[in-house]
Amino acid sequence: AQSVTQLGSHVSVSEGALVLLRCNYSSSVPPYLFWYVQYPNQGLQLLLKYTTGATLVKGINGFEAEFKKSETSFHLTKPSAHMSDAAEYFCAVSAAPFGANSKLTFGKGITLSVRP
Amino acid sequence: DGGITQSPKYLFRKEGQNVTLSCEQNLNHDAMYWYRQDPGQGLRLIYYSQIVNDFQKGDIAEGYSVSREKKESFPLTVTSAQKNPTAFYLCASSMGGRGGTKNIQYFGAGTRLSVL
Repeated sequence: AQSVTQLGSHVSVSEGALVLLRCNYSSSVPPYLFWYVQYPNQGLQLLLKYTTGATLVKGINGFEAEFKKSETSFHLTKPSAHMSDAAEYFCAVSAAPFGANSKLTFGKGITLSVRP
Repeated sequence: DGGITQSPKYLFRKEGQNVTLSCEQNLNHDAMYWYRQDPGQGLRLIYYSQIVNDFQKGDIAEGYSVSREKKESFPLTVTSAQKNPTAFYLCASSMGGRGGTKNIQYFGAGTRLSVL
């Protein structure tokens, strides 16, 4: 069984400030980890993913995340927030083998607001 | 352009009525998924299908039904048994099979269902 915890439902930062969105996961097998972004009334868009290999992964729009197995974490960061980053962000986990475990389990999401 | 098309964008259901949400993909993906999104609850899996003519219940299948007669189509019916159908419904697809990139899910733009 897998689960994802995204602490807090809302994060507010100033434009130009560091963005840090936290994600902790639970998985009985080596996980695949994903961050998705959702703009209002739209579908989800993949920001980045971790499968195997390098634990620091870079995604689109300047975002990156680091897989820390010892902390069961996959926090999302961006050095400098932009107004266009305001959206809802979802962390998701999938077990590696294909089959029933290929399903994604999502966290509840975090809304990011960016202040001018 | 390849992608996932959901229709309609907005849908209204009268009490006791069944309604069907359309999801079509031209990505040649084997696996397709339906999620329900409610504010503050993230995405919850309703049904998924890994191959034509086969599908499995997700976490909240009660009151919903699906079919997978064609690879590119995975319609969702919200039946009158679903007593609280108001939500944002998202369809997704993935390649399926082993390997990290094959687990990536791509999403449609969603259908917002409301009860009259």
